[in-house]
Amino acid sequence: AQKVTQAQTEISVVEKEDVTLDCVYETRDTTYYLFWYKQPPSGELVFLIRRNSFDEQNEISGRYSWNFQKSTSSFNFTITASQVVDSAVYFCALSEARSNYQLIWGAGTKLIIKP
Amino acid sequence: NAGVTQTPKFRVLKTGQSMTLLCAQDMNHEYMYWYRQDPGMGLRLIHYSVGEGTTAKGEVPDGYNVSRLKKQNFLLGLESAAPSQTSVYFCASSLDRPSYEQYFGPGTRLTVT
Repeated sequence: AQKVTQAQTEISVVEKEDVTLDCVYETRDTTYYLFWYKQPPSGELVFLIRRNSFDEQNEISGRYSWNFQKSTSSFNFTITASQVVDSAVYFCALSEARSNYQLIWGAGTKLIIKP
Repeated sequence: NAGVTQTPKFRVLKTGQSMTLLCAQDMNHEYMYWYRQDPGMGLRLIHYSVGEGTTAKGEVPDGYNVSRLKKQNFLLGLESAAPSQTSVYFCASSLDRPSYEQYFGPGTRLTVT
């Protein structure tokens, strides 16, 4: 069974639209961590955010925001007023104690921002 | 401060050939990792190291070996390459356990024909 599910394989929006990338995770641990990474067309992986399971506060960083809801086991990522430079593959990942905290990756969502 | 570097960036091998991928980090990180990325999939952990002189298997270790003789370097070896090992390989490091932020190298694209 998938521990990290990113159901949206590809999303395409027009520049300046808001877009939300979904991430649903599965764990029995009470202590765990969730991550988002960005992989632009150049191929490198860029860290965006890390949250621990005890901090359900939403996070905002510029045009980026993250909504962490334990009740639905979701950690969704929203880009407000999207720009062409946001085009990338975005990965959600889970780190849990029973997996020695190794990252368990979702399959990624390819985001295409059209000018 | 180069962060995490990988050599080479690209490589083409024939089935049965061997090669070594080199990863180096200059951040004095304890943990280092080798991942592979295949189309339509997230990253999968091959091997990792929790410190100099240590290595451990990840999710997909078969066909690969690793060594960490120096803290800053983590080598990934393919003794007898197979077409199934065609992939993009990423090295990463973290200050402490994997739940810390991981810093990634630029990747190595390997094709085995």
